[in-house]
Amino acid sequence: EVQLVESGGGLVQPGGSLRLSCAASGFTFSSYWMHWVRQAPGKGLVWVSHINSDGSGTSYADSVKGRFTISRDNAKNTLYLQMNSLRAEDTAVYYCARDDSGGYYVMDVWGKGTTVTVSS
Amino acid sequence: QSALTQPASVSGSPGQSITISCTGTSSDVGGYNYVSWYQQHPGKAPKLMIYDVSNRPSGVSNRFSGSKSGNTASLTISGLQAEDEADYYCSSYTSSSTPRFGGGTKLTVL
Repeated sequence: EVQLVESGGGLVQPGGSLRLSCAASGFTFSSYWMHWVRQAPGKGLVWVSHINSDGSGTSYADSVKGRFTISRDNAKNTLYLQMNSLRAEDTAVYYCARDDSGGYYVMDVWGKGTTVTVSS
Repeated sequence: QSALTQPASVSGSPGQSITISCTGTSSDVGGYNYVSWYQQHPGKAPKLMIYDVSNRPSGVSNRFSGSKSGNTASLTISGLQAEDEADYYCSSYTSSSTPRFGGGTKLTVL
């Protein structure tokens, strides 16, 4: 079964850091671009970042550029999101998603999400 | 980047058809045939329903269809069923080589 499972969310103080993980199974992880998408409470989906299949290319939304870093370990079938200098507005459910289109943002498999709360 | 424009809500009765619009610009929706639609039930992860404007992934009901005219893409759901009640989001590839999501539309089945 194709599956993505996020972990690493939690409560963190403003200015703090968290690292999210996304464990992939049931498909050849190293063949796919991957994304992080977030959803603030009661709000819509917002793309956060993507990484290409071998990890050599990344992109970020302006709102997280310079604070978040996406990476992957294809040997461990795991995607990561290192989040630094967290702000209250980063509070959201964070989803990882598989890109089935090689970079045209067709996200065909999603995890269930992990919740990040930034609050003092 | 602002979100693509979707109506906040639409509604319909069982068996009817509804259409959700998604309006962007020539730099996103109008410029590329890379529009996707996602369904999200409360507390659940999004599910891909339409990709590349009008293609359905395997397993998605043929009651769901997509189209595009100019800078506006549309999702049509025919033969509405209670289980279709959910939030729907469009997304598009953009000239910045990043995606942009719509603000979301809440579909109510009356």
